Amino acid sequence: QVQLRQSGPGLVKPSETLSLTCSVSGYSISSGYYWGWFRQPPGKGLEWIATIYHSGDTYYKPSLQSRVTISVDTSKNQFSLRLTSVTAADTAFYFCARSTGYYNDAFDIWGQGTMVTVSS
Amino acid sequence: EIVLTQSPGTLSLSPGETATLSCRASQTITSNYLAWYQQKPGQAPRLLVYAASGRATGIPDRFSGGGSGTDFTLTISRLEPEDFAVYHCQQYGRLPLTFGGGTKVEIK
Repeated sequence: QVQLRQSGPGLVKPSETLSLTCSVSGYSISSGYYWGWFRQPPGKGLEWIATIYHSGDTYYKPSLQSRVTISVDTSKNQFSLRLTSVTAADTAFYFCARSTGYYNDAFDIWGQGTMVTVSS
Repeated sequence: EIVLTQSPGTLSLSPGETATLSCRASQTITSNYLAWYQQKPGQAPRLLVYAASGRATGIPDRFSGGGSGTDFTLTISRLEPEDFAVYHCQQYGRLPLTFGGGTKVEIK
């Protein structure tokens, strides 16, 4: 079955760049679907960050767009998130997920989550 | 962006009872593109309902979604012990995708 496995550091210093990768197994990203990143500060609600298609089409939350890059590597069957100039407000659980169809869609398969703490 | 307001914040019920959760949108959601997720502590969200009333694969029929326009509900009939969790609504009718603040269903 399709599985998403996240990797990346759990601690990032203020002003530095947060980088996470989501490796997909059981399905080829090149075959379709859209792939996204979300985050959730501890005890709070979910927030969509960005979505990408295997062709490279990208969609970003406007308030984060200036600091976020989502990318895809079809040869490795993975997609990634970069968030620059992080502050304590970026401390959260980060999740990758697969949409059920299009860029504006529900998401049915999720990664295990990565807690990222921004602290010196 | 579309703001989703979920109510109540917390619902205290006993197993076997029925939970009714509300999600209200600040604007009409295109094509009723509203999803519901269940999330347990330390876990990722799990898709329950899409397009307001479509049940996702493998979801028991005690979970049912309804509503249209700006007002949506998730009903959980005959609560099972594993249903006590936080529930989130998400709209995908318009970017940016947005979520409600969540409703916690706890054991009374």
